Amino acid sequence: EADIYQTPRYLVIGTGKKITLECSQTMGHDKMYWYQQDPGMELHLIHYSYGVNSTEKGDLSSESTVSRIRTEHFPLTLESARPSHTSQYLCASVGTVKNTEAFFGQGTRLTVV
Amino acid sequence: SQQGEEDPQALSIQEGENATMNCSYKTSINNLQWYRQNSGRGLVHLILIRSNEREKHSGRLRVTLDTSKKSSSLLITASRAADTASYFCATKPNQAGTALIFGKGTTLSVSS
Repeated sequence: EADIYQTPRYLVIGTGKKITLECSQTMGHDKMYWYQQDPGMELHLIHYSYGVNSTEKGDLSSESTVSRIRTEHFPLTLESARPSHTSQYLCASVGTVKNTEAFFGQGTRLTVV
Repeated sequence: SQQGEEDPQALSIQEGENATMNCSYKTSINNLQWYRQNSGRGLVHLILIRSNEREKHSGRLRVTLDTSKKSSSLLITASRAADTASYFCATKPNQAGTALIFGKGTTLSVSS
């Protein structure tokens, strides 16, 4: 069972609000990722980090930001939520050993009204 | 752009039948992985096959990899209703510092 946790599981929020989606893992993994996924669709990488104080943007342009102050914590922030941000956000982590799998959190389903 | 492409997009079978899903990719890879996702949940890792491997088994799962054709297949034998889920292939490119790239997934429905 993966030790990676996302909160909240579901969030309904009004347009213009600032929100932070939390992701924590207790496996000591250096690599962490945020993916965005619309229902029944593919995953799009929006941010990733290969260690503390290291963050990069992914392939999909996103108005969100991330931080990595501690190894175990990789929060994603939307400064001003919009209906177009409605989606599922998945956090994942990978260990440093080569050829190892990713562990995913349960996801946060965000709805912006 | 996404690297992996699964086909079919959707597959409906009866319990006890085998399900085969295919994945194609574009660049050189370190490994290829298959994941399962139940509706509205996170992804769960099923199996990883390295670029120098051709076939791998895990329980009722069989994965093949053909690097010359840049393709992989996932076979689920003797399917069960509980196998109903979306299945994604993900490739780890050879380039250092790159993340897993996921395909669009195959939605499998197994009816009893």
